[in-house]
Amino acid sequence: AQSVTQLGSHVSVSEGALVLLRCNYSSSVPPYLFWYVQYPNQGLQLLLKYTSAATLVKGINGFEAEFKKSETSFHLTKPSAHMSDAAEYFCAVRFYGGSQGNLIFGKGTKLSVKP
Amino acid sequence: EAGVVQSPRYKIIEKKQPVAFWCNPISGHNTLYWYLQNLGQGPELLIRYENEEAVDDSQLPKDRFSAERLKGVDSTLKIQPAELGDSAVYLCASSRWRGDSEYNEQFFGPGTRLTVL
Repeated sequence: AQSVTQLGSHVSVSEGALVLLRCNYSSSVPPYLFWYVQYPNQGLQLLLKYTSAATLVKGINGFEAEFKKSETSFHLTKPSAHMSDAAEYFCAVRFYGGSQGNLIFGKGTKLSVKP
Repeated sequence: EAGVVQSPRYKIIEKKQPVAFWCNPISGHNTLYWYLQNLGQGPELLIRYENEEAVDDSQLPKDRFSAERLKGVDSTLKIQPAELGDSAVYLCASSRWRGDSEYNEQFFGPGTRLTVL
């Protein structure tokens, strides 16, 4: 079955440290891939998306993600964490065929940034 | 450009009572989505509209949930009667559907947090 998995429900890093949030998908055909961020009491905001063009995707706020077909992964990284990055991050996929346009979200990873 | 508007932002009701949520999508967006987000989980699609038509309501619990999108703009999601397990955040999103392309970015509203006592 097609699915998306985020490893680690909670990640804690120090300010200035590397941020790495993991996302793996299960599909025989590479889907469209997205990362969203959700700040407390707010809706989701798109950080970046993979749409079969460049495998390294740059997004807002200094985040980037690399699509690796061989590993069925789309991990999110940021070289240096800032306090304002503390939020919950969701990986989402949209598979070809089936329900067009429907996103399937992972369970989310809550990022904490320590001063 | 105004974003997706939802109201109310918070709602507390007793079980067995009805409740309704309202969503106004971004102007010009023909596709509207309602999602359910339980605590500690990612959003799950309840229903998707393209204009006035509900094109995917397979995950909507139709015994107690209903939705409408009259005139293809605003939408209302209703629960009647509410149960304790319905406590969650209800998110609305909209997009400008252009077929199976990467342009189908979904823009999310702030959500309505429902507490059923």
